[in-house]
Amino acid sequence: SAVISQKPSRDICQRGTSLTIQCQVDSQVTMMFWYRQQPGQSLTLIATANQGSEATYESGFVIDKFPISRPNLTFSTLTVSNMSPEDSSIYLCSVGLAGGPEEQFFGPGTRLTVL
Amino acid sequence: DQQVKQNSPSLSVQEGRISILNCDYTNSMFDYFLWYKKYPAEGPTFLISISSIKDKNEDGRFTVFLNKSAKHLSLHIVPSQPGDSAVYFCAASRGTGANSKLTFGKGITLSVRP
Repeated sequence: SAVISQKPSRDICQRGTSLTIQCQVDSQVTMMFWYRQQPGQSLTLIATANQGSEATYESGFVIDKFPISRPNLTFSTLTVSNMSPEDSSIYLCSVGLAGGPEEQFFGPGTRLTVL
Repeated sequence: DQQVKQNSPSLSVQEGRISILNCDYTNSMFDYFLWYKKYPAEGPTFLISISSIKDKNEDGRFTVFLNKSAKHLSLHIVPSQPGDSAVYFCAASRGTGANSKLTFGKGITLSVRP
């Protein structure tokens, strides 16, 4: 298994500003994922961040809005840029271990409110 | 277009009775299905899964049933316990590799009454 922590756990931000969310894993992992859960909606994959390569973004998400860094095998950041109230969501990172989809472990999430 | 649907937002069940959580999907390319459980202020945790080549998988009090022709799966919890109160997410993937992308439903909030 993997233990994942995220910082901050929650934040309230003003529109037009940016927030960087950190994700720390207690072991080295190749695959990391960033999800968003808007109010009343499902968890939606934003991007896959594998160490040593550029993040791969899902349809509807772009690097300019959600830049991701993956400097090593235990850490990643997601930045929500030029925020608007529509960005108010829970953002979760997860890691994929070698065993398969059931070996995907999630962090506790960052609850973001944009005013 | 939501490919994984959990149409009931909530379910309330008496302790000791059966909880049945339903999930429908539209993408016939999905071949692996999972249920995740989420407590407040925590991330989702894996509960149980089923491959499309099976129609049932059981793990203790939890059983998942898959009806491929109907593109429907359900999670049965018997007997339900107050500690089962949580949000349950249905998820689907194409393939079973470690980098398989998960498509989630909106979740169902289960409340088990003592």
